[in-house]
Amino acid sequence: AQSVTQLGSHVSVSEGALVLLRCNYSSSVPPYLFWYVQYPNQGLQLLLKYTTGATLVKGINGFEAEFKKSETSFHLTKPSAHMSDAAEYFCAVSHSNTNAGKSTFGDGTTLTVKP
Amino acid sequence: DGGITQSPKYLFRKEGQNVTLSCEQNLNHDAMYWYRQDPGQGLRLIYYSQIVNDFQKGDIAEGYSVSREKKESFPLTVTSAQKNPTAFYLCASSISRRSSYNEQFFGPGTRLTVL
Repeated sequence: AQSVTQLGSHVSVSEGALVLLRCNYSSSVPPYLFWYVQYPNQGLQLLLKYTTGATLVKGINGFEAEFKKSETSFHLTKPSAHMSDAAEYFCAVSHSNTNAGKSTFGDGTTLTVKP
Repeated sequence: DGGITQSPKYLFRKEGQNVTLSCEQNLNHDAMYWYRQDPGQGLRLIYYSQIVNDFQKGDIAEGYSVSREKKESFPLTVTSAQKNPTAFYLCASSISRRSSYNEQFFGPGTRLTVL
């Protein structure tokens, strides 16, 4: 079985501040990990993903995430928040044994950026 | 442009009525998914399909039905048996049913409201 826990349903930062969104996963086999972003009343779009290889993954819009196996974490960061980063962010996990490419999604973290 | 379309964007239903949500993709993806999104609960999988004429129940299939007669189409019917159908519904696709490392591509969603 696999699961994802996103710590903090709401995160608020000031414009220009560091963004840190936390994701911890549980998986009995090596995981594939994803971060998606959702703007209001829209679908999700992929920010970045980790499958194998380099543990620091860079994505779109200046975001990056680091896979830490020992901590079972895949936290999302951005050095300097922009107003346009305000959205909901979802962490997701799957693995090679997952049927039909299904992913398990976390409950989401809403990011607010204050001017 | 390749992508996933969902229609309608907003849908209102009277209690006791069945309604069908449309999902079409021109990405030539094998796998397709339907999710339900409620505030604070993330994405919950309703049904998924790995190939034409085949589909499986997800975590919350009761009160829903699907078909997959064509590769590009995966309509979802919300039946009168669904006790609380008001939600945001998202359709997604993935390139291969065998590859869990592939991300999912999402449509813009349909917001269903029961009056």
